[in-house]
Amino acid sequence: KNEVEQSPQNLTAQEGEFITINCSYSVGISALHWLQQHPGGGIVSLFMLSSGKKKHGRLIATINIQEKHSSLHITASHPRDSAVYICAGGLAGNQFYFGTGTSLTVIP
Amino acid sequence: AAGVIQSPRHLIKEKRETATLKCYPIPRHDTVYWYQQGPGQDPQFLISFYEKMQSDKGSIPDRFSAQQFSDYHSELNMSSLELGDSALYFCASSLFQGAIGYTFGSGTRLTVV
Repeated sequence: KNEVEQSPQNLTAQEGEFITINCSYSVGISALHWLQQHPGGGIVSLFMLSSGKKKHGRLIATINIQEKHSSLHITASHPRDSAVYICAGGLAGNQFYFGTGTSLTVIP
Repeated sequence: AAGVIQSPRHLIKEKRETATLKCYPIPRHDTVYWYQQGPGQDPQFLISFYEKMQSDKGSIPDRFSAQQFSDYHSELNMSSLELGDSALYFCASSLFQGAIGYTFGSGTRLTVV
């Protein structure tokens, strides 16, 4: 069992749809990150959460510390949102645990 | 705002050559982490440093070594390169005390031919 699990693994959506990606973790963490990776590209940090909810443009991330669960929402999805979305968490000074990633394809 | 800087962005080496990757953390960050991501694979933790000392070790091959310098930048040295070392290597930095602030670099794409 992975320390960080994501669902779904693959997701195809029509442009404009509301998208939710879920992340559950079993390890103790000081913060959870949502990351975006385009094919062949580096990793871009979208959000860093330790509690509550954060919003940036069409992206919203929430975390429930008690339930060890986080969600990434994309409103009004667009083809340029197509990428792999990864949640990752860890404790300071120790390794990060990565989810397996969710490959999102948004169709025009 | 300053981010984690990695150099070079791309590197092509031949088998059995050596390579050195560099990572410059965000100012005031004292912890650096190295990850390796093979094609289509999850990132694998290699090694981390806090205050110039190794703080955690993952699946780093014996052919690789790394260190953190007094200015907190880190270098990953890779020797006797193999085709399987072709991957995206990225580093992250954080401030150990206070826990929060992991920031990732954009990575170095290493291709071994």
